[in-house]
Amino acid sequence: EPEVTQTPSHQVTQMGQEVILRCVPISNHLYFYWYRQILGQKVEFLVSFYNNEISEKSEIFDDQFSVERPDGSNFTLKIRSTKLEDSAMYFCASAGYSGRAGELFFGEGSRLTVL
Amino acid sequence: AQKVTQAQTEISVVEKEDVTLDCVYETRDTTYYLFWYKQPPSGELVFLIRRNSFDEQNEISGRYSWNFQKSTSSFNFTITASQVVDSAVYFCALGISNFGNEKLTFGTGTRLTIIP
Repeated sequence: EPEVTQTPSHQVTQMGQEVILRCVPISNHLYFYWYRQILGQKVEFLVSFYNNEISEKSEIFDDQFSVERPDGSNFTLKIRSTKLEDSAMYFCASAGYSGRAGELFFGEGSRLTVL
Repeated sequence: AQKVTQAQTEISVVEKEDVTLDCVYETRDTTYYLFWYKQPPSGELVFLIRRNSFDEQNEISGRYSWNFQKSTSSFNFTITASQVVDSAVYFCALGISNFGNEKLTFGTGTRLTIIP
């Protein structure tokens, strides 16, 4: 069964450092997402991406965040200068167009710890 | 705006008991989707069920069952004969499909502990 894969599974970084989280969505999917879950809290939408541009972003997704699909297979989330409050689990997801509308396929998450 | 409320923060039951997790949602859209995800201690999100707003038929899958009631905007999840492996955080989510832009709004989750 196709799946969304994410790397790294866990990253520890110092405050102020840049971090790139990587995702490989399901190959025929067109819509890509990042969600975030601060420890013990709910999963929150960060950004959606379609046709090589951001289609929607939340208030959380400020100028420190960026997304990119550099090579047609990877989908990355970059945090330019990490803050302590960026410590969270980051989930990548992808969705196909129509068919099973409303269904996201989530990766297993990348846990980011900012010290 | 969409909203999902899971009023039960934590539930503990003894193994083999039945347990129901509540989910109430708010949306003005007439077409929407409801989901339940399981998050075990390892952290990943495990898809359990997807339901669209036009299908109010209840569903049963093994020990799991879901009760969707549009009249009360609820989508409750029942586990019968609970097992220790059911211990996890369970999230209810609401999705609005906007030409393929599938954005989910999650509830705050219910932590379920099954006591052996």
